[in-house]
Amino acid sequence: DSGVTQTPKHLITATGQRVTLRCSPRSGDLSVYWYQQSLDQGLQFLIQYYNGEERAKGNILERFSAQQFPDLHSELNLSSLELGDSALYFCASSRRQGGETQYFGPGTRLLVL
Amino acid sequence: QQQVKQSPQSLIVQKGGISIINCAYENTAFDYFPWYQQFPGKGPALLIAIRPDVSEKKEGRFTISFNKSAKQFSLHIMDSQPGDSATYFCAASEETSGSRLTFGEGTQLTVNP
Repeated sequence: DSGVTQTPKHLITATGQRVTLRCSPRSGDLSVYWYQQSLDQGLQFLIQYYNGEERAKGNILERFSAQQFPDLHSELNLSSLELGDSALYFCASSRRQGGETQYFGPGTRLLVL
Repeated sequence: QQQVKQSPQSLIVQKGGISIINCAYENTAFDYFPWYQQFPGKGPALLIAIRPDVSEKKEGRFTISFNKSAKQFSLHIMDSQPGDSATYFCAASEETSGSRLTFGEGTQLTVNP
């Protein structure tokens, strides 16, 4: 158990809908990272927050947004969902801004029908 | 642009054998090279990591070899066990860009009893 929690574990929704994925980092970790894992794209970095502020952005679609709250938990919002958004979404956390171990949560499996 | 290339895509090894997975990177600014192990339905878990100031790091049966001039690094699993059967990902990051992890494509390792 990495200490990173993610909810929900599974999510099934329809195209065009909006969903919110939640992540709670390990106790004491200030950075939260979001990654997408799909069969064709592998593990891809989406976005990083550090102590409430956006720190780095990867290949995140404009339909996707994220935020980190004062209690350091983070939410990833996916809107106008398309079939191709079906994937595993992982949250990871680390103690500082980077250059150290990232601990991954168990992931949320999203299926868009 | 795929900045970290991993091979082989799949690997079958007999119990007690040596498993070797290779990765090559392009970005010379990368300064942290972790290997992650992922079991089905789970998030990636850090196995071992290295920084470019050392050429080798060993932890138990797992060894990373790092060749800075060739921009390559590899994972060696000695005395491979059936419990090692999983997908292995190499990754790389640079602290100045927020330490997003750039992952290789993954290697599915099967250790036969």
